[in-house]
Amino acid sequence: DTGVSQNPRHKITKRGQNVTFRCDPISEHNRLYWYRQTLGQGPEFLTYFQNEAQLEKSRLLSDRFSAERPKGSFSTLEIQRTEQGDSAMYLCASGRGSSTGPSPGYTFGSGTRLTVV
Amino acid sequence: LAKTTQPISMDSYEGQEVNITCSHNNIATNDYITWYQQFPSQGPRFIIQGYKTKVTNEVASLFIPADRKSSTLSLPRVSLSDTAVYYCLVGGNTGGFKTIFGAGTRLFVKA
Repeated sequence: DTGVSQNPRHKITKRGQNVTFRCDPISEHNRLYWYRQTLGQGPEFLTYFQNEAQLEKSRLLSDRFSAERPKGSFSTLEIQRTEQGDSAMYLCASGRGSSTGPSPGYTFGSGTRLTVV
Repeated sequence: LAKTTQPISMDSYEGQEVNITCSHNNIATNDYITWYQQFPSQGPRFIIQGYKTKVTNEVASLFIPADRKSSTLSLPRVSLSDTAVYYCLVGGNTGGFKTIFGAGTRLFVKA
């Protein structure tokens, strides 16, 4: 168990460019979440996958954002035509969920810090 | 989804017990209470989870009264390395458990 891995750790991009982040969850975890966190705030939910199915998307996730989780393994988050307001830490978390019982505590990655200049 | 209210910040000294209380008046029957810890430039780390009464693990204790409208995270004998932001969350296993983080409580532990 190597934890949740996110790449890259840091990304600086020019406004208008597209960026893609990758998350490798803990292998046996079927649930995967993406969050965005700005300085001084708690993480904001973006989207959620159970296996390969994207089951929920936040209204924060504009049309410029898209996430995939092919084959229920790693996930990618793409931001098209980046804006300065997209500058934030993007966090991925994974967990082992079931239809009954308590919600699991999730394991977070260290995040990808995006700076749009 | 139940919202939570926590103190914005707290100060403590090394060796003291710290209690952080979270209010969640609208908690639903199937909601659990979960606490996370976050250090700068790192993702949140799961600390403890409970449904009612008391839960204890090697890191902390979680006290939940009978009405479940609040909960208290207790950190025994804190050290400087416990300086972090602590988040209280409530949520259930239905609907994909869309976890909502508040602003958290910034704990400063002084020598």
